[in-house]
Amino acid sequence: EAGVAQSPRYKIIEKRQSVAFWCNPISGHATLYWYQQILGQGPKLLIQFQNNGVVDDSQLPKDRFSAERLKGVDSTLKIQPAKLEDSAVYLCASSRHRETDTQYFGPGTRLTVL
Amino acid sequence: DQQVKQNSPSLSVQEGRISILNCDYTNSMFDYFLWYKKYPAEGPTFLISISSIKDKNEDGRFTVFLNKSAKHLSLHIVPSQPGDSAVYFCAASPKTAGNKLTFGGGTRVLVKP
Repeated sequence: EAGVAQSPRYKIIEKRQSVAFWCNPISGHATLYWYQQILGQGPKLLIQFQNNGVVDDSQLPKDRFSAERLKGVDSTLKIQPAKLEDSAVYLCASSRHRETDTQYFGPGTRLTVL
Repeated sequence: DQQVKQNSPSLSVQEGRISILNCDYTNSMFDYFLWYKKYPAEGPTFLISISSIKDKNEDGRFTVFLNKSAKHLSLHIVPSQPGDSAVYFCAASPKTAGNKLTFGGGTRVLVKP
């Protein structure tokens, strides 16, 4: 079974630029999560999708971050415009169902904002 | 407001000995707890979990203990192996929130041969 795929693996941009990350979850997994992991900290949930609907985006900075999961499979996370404090690893995870099901993580995208 | 805390940022242990990782939480709504392991340049990998109805769960060399009254859990690795060198994250979730995980800051474990 293929794991969670993410691209790009690394991205360097200047502040005020825009950036987008892509995630392809494990086949058949209905729930998809985006996390932000700042250096030295644990992952922080940004947004959770159930199929193509948002179930939790309470920690997503909606003034600059957006995410979508069209057709309930792949997802993209966008930052527009980026700030220095957005430098982090962005992790995508998926699980078969919402309720206490194991979340499987992708390798992440390391974003550096200069 | 850190609801899940791992107060030891790092731990060094000799191969073959026991590694003990600790985690404290403050939110009494948390009732499901997990440990994830992370190697550099990889995503976290699920290791072991425990529900609040239990106080111990064992899987091979890994055992998680939960003390609900103290809001404390620990992960024991026995015996420790060099391949266990990684960052370990504690995570917690209230079942009512549909698998919404809150992570601790992580503990870096180094197992010396």
